[in-house]
Amino acid sequence: EIVLTQSPATLSLSPGERATLSCRASQNISAYLNWYQQKPGQAPRLLIYDTSYRAPDIPARFSGSGSGTDFTLTISSLEPEDFAVYYCQQRSNWPWTFGQGTKVEIK
Amino acid sequence: EVQLLESGGGSVQPGGSLRVSCEGSGFTFSDYAMNWVRQAPGKGLEWVSSISGNARTAQYADAVKGRFTISRDNSKNTVFLQMNNLRAEDTAIYYCAKGQAPFRYTFDFWGQGTRVTVSS
Repeated sequence: EIVLTQSPATLSLSPGERATLSCRASQNISAYLNWYQQKPGQAPRLLIYDTSYRAPDIPARFSGSGSGTDFTLTISSLEPEDFAVYYCQQRSNWPWTFGQGTKVEIK
Repeated sequence: EVQLLESGGGSVQPGGSLRVSCEGSGFTFSDYAMNWVRQAPGKGLEWVSSISGNARTAQYADAVKGRFTISRDNSKNTVFLQMNNLRAEDTAIYYCAKGQAPFRYTFDFWGQGTRVTVSS
């Protein structure tokens, strides 16, 4: 099973700041890495698929990069609605696995 | 507009059974894999099971293999998760999620979830 490790666990930032979230895979997953956003009491929402492709209707301030084992989600300038938990997920190998999440909170 | 609507959650005693359902609309249901992902209280996301569009292929997480069965009825645009021999650790919100493309296990649309509680 591929283990995804996200860091940091919590990121405390102010609106307008840049957020950089990391996801590391225990083995090479090529570019098969997705990112989801989850707000309290809501279902997750797909943000980025296959490392760097934004899902429909996702703002351009969200971007993804990486390959192999190291991946990054960047939010260029945090908006109030971006404070949430973010999960990475790999679709390279069954079983499909998620990282433990990074909470982006208001500083 | 893609919509997924789960139903069937509830409370059950350990060792009991429950079947949750998810009805999809706004897309050609039979063209896409469907998936179940769960979230225990205060915890992260855990993939549970997937089924291909034609129902020929089903996959399960080790934690539920042999106890859960996924199925689908494409004539009713519905996917099911039959859960038997439930344990306390199965307590979670169960989300139905649509696969992004045939055999692509990116979850591009999610339902609002149905809560399952296993407790004596």
